[in-house]
Amino acid sequence: EAQVTQNPRYLITVTGKKLTVTCSQNMNHEYMSWYRQDPGLGLRQIYYSMNVEVTDKGDVPEGYKVSRKEKRNFPLILESPSPNQTSLYFCASSPAVGQFFGPGTRLTVL
Amino acid sequence: GENVEQHPSTLSVQEGDSAVIKCTYSDSASNYFPWYKQELGKRPQLIIDIRSNVGEKKDQRIAVTLNKTAKHFSLHITETQPEDSAVYFCAASIRAGNMLTFGGGTRLMVKP
Repeated sequence: EAQVTQNPRYLITVTGKKLTVTCSQNMNHEYMSWYRQDPGLGLRQIYYSMNVEVTDKGDVPEGYKVSRKEKRNFPLILESPSPNQTSLYFCASSPAVGQFFGPGTRLTVL
Repeated sequence: GENVEQHPSTLSVQEGDSAVIKCTYSDSASNYFPWYKQELGKRPQLIIDIRSNVGEKKDQRIAVTLNKTAKHFSLHITETQPEDSAVYFCAASIRAGNMLTFGGGTRLMVKP
């Protein structure tokens, strides 16, 4: 089954404790992205990647890192999470037309 | 960078009526405009998209129109049904699959 998966789906952590949210797609898509969704602010792009080892900043990259060592994986890294990074995070992949979103990761930083 | 504005933020219609959601964008280089539907607690799902080389696209009860000169595009849903109730997002990009800028979303409520 073609899909985008994210793990974990829910995470509660504390300020400053490094965490990684994994994203994987099995559709051989070149493009992958990370978004955060906050009430009243819609979806904002954090980082995107056009292929292996090619990444670029989106609208709100501060406080986040990404890597694209393999085509199928695009992890999101928060080196020192802060409460303002509490949000719903979506990973997405694209074959260059449309984007397929993962199920989301709800992150709470205390 | 690109800025996308979406109106209205909430829309309530009676079942069977039509619904129209409008978006404007700022970057004249944008040429790909998708629309997403997000049901409560679920992920956004692509429902229709349009490229700048066409002015209108239809898929059953939904249609999208694009006016590149005025830099606005709209989603039209006809014969609305309760299952159309969701949040709808427009977006714009200079290339499909590339960096997408989303509008703020429209909560559509279809009353039976």
